[in-house]
Amino acid sequence: GEDVEQSLFLSVREGDSSVINCTYTDSSSTYLYWYKQEPGAGLQLLTYIFSNMDMKQDQRLTVLLNKKDKHLSLRIADTQTGDSAIYFCAEGSRAGNNRKLIWGLGTSLAVNP
Amino acid sequence: EAGVTQSPTHLIKTRGQQATLRCSPISGHTSVYWYQQALGLGLQFLLWYDEGEERNRGNFPPRFSGRQFPNYSSELNVNALELEDSALYLCASRTRVNTGELFFGEGSRLTVL
Repeated sequence: GEDVEQSLFLSVREGDSSVINCTYTDSSSTYLYWYKQEPGAGLQLLTYIFSNMDMKQDQRLTVLLNKKDKHLSLRIADTQTGDSAIYFCAEGSRAGNNRKLIWGLGTSLAVNP
Repeated sequence: EAGVTQSPTHLIKTRGQQATLRCSPISGHTSVYWYQQALGLGLQFLLWYDEGEERNRGNFPPRFSGRQFPNYSSELNVNALELEDSALYLCASRTRVNTGELFFGEGSRLTVL
């Protein structure tokens, strides 16, 4: 069945770049998402990318998509302590009216001062 | 504009009891999703409601049920509570005509003793 995989932990120093990786299996994915969950809070959409795009940049965030390898990455430039959170990768596909999202387990990002 | 609101924020029950969690979507959103986020298990899809009907269901036993009201708010009911039902229950809503982005509430933390 469909699956999304992420590494569970990442630790970086403040000011460095963070790269969070995700692989997925569903070749019919339409959109791929990155959500952020801060401690004790719900999830918040950070960014998304259409499956026909290779890259999307939004301020400090860069999303790279390698559709051939089914690999998605999120790069956070100049990582700050406020970026410490869990980052979820999700892929969405659509079959008729049935939208489906498959979630990764989340990558816990720790930013050390 | 108000976001997705969930109540209660915390709920403590004992085994065998029943729990009811509530969710109000963003105004204009017709779809509501429920997720369970247990420690170490990531986001597990529970239920999807759209226009008052259950559209999809995750791999959970029938004691997890819910409904969506005419105003698109939703309830999640968990009967015969078990210890492993302790988790953060997240509600999310979305419109029909967009990229499929989900807007999450902050969750209801259910503790079963």
